[in-house]
Amino acid sequence: AQSVTQLGSHVSVSEGALVLLRCNYSSSVPPYLFWYVQYPNQGLQLLLKYTSAATLVKGINGFEAEFKKSETSFHLTKPSAHMSDAAEYFCAVSGTSGSRLTFGEGTQLTVNP
Amino acid sequence: NAGVTQTPKFQVLKTGQSMTLQCAQDMNHEYMSWYRQDPGMGLRLIHYSVGAGITDQGEVPNGYNVSRSTTEDFPLRLLSAAPSQTSVYFCASSYSRRGPQETQYFGPGTRLLVL
Repeated sequence: AQSVTQLGSHVSVSEGALVLLRCNYSSSVPPYLFWYVQYPNQGLQLLLKYTSAATLVKGINGFEAEFKKSETSFHLTKPSAHMSDAAEYFCAVSGTSGSRLTFGEGTQLTVNP
Repeated sequence: NAGVTQTPKFQVLKTGQSMTLQCAQDMNHEYMSWYRQDPGMGLRLIHYSVGAGITDQGEVPNGYNVSRSTTEDFPLRLLSAAPSQTSVYFCASSYSRRGPQETQYFGPGTRLLVL
């Protein structure tokens, strides 16, 4: 079985501040982990993914995430938030059942000027 | 490449009506799937397919049917629409033969309102 928990359904930061979105996973096999972003009225776009090659993964738009097996976490960070980062972010896991993705509940990121 | 396309973008149904949500991809992906997105619940898997002629149920399959007659197309059928099926539906695809680490590409979604 596999599952994902995203801590915080809403996160609000000021422009220029650190962005930290939390994701914890559960998996009975070594996981593959993904962060997707969804802008209003659009589909999901891949930000980055962990495939066991490196624990620190860099993605698009300045985001990165670190896989920590001991903490079963894959938190998403960005050093300096931009207004254009306002969106909903989803963490997802695969591996237990082939390509089946299991998503977290999502975190809505608001960036204040 | 057009990627993953979905039609219609928006649909209003009355309870009991049936309809088909269309999904097509032009990337020769073996794996295709349907999700529904509801507030506070993330995306939940409805049905998926690992290749033409092969389909299986996901987490929330009740009230939906699928078929996969070609690699490109994966339609989702609502047999008798209910208000509980009001949601945003996303289709996704990936290269399943390369394993579960492959990126899934999502369509733009179909917003469905059942009255």
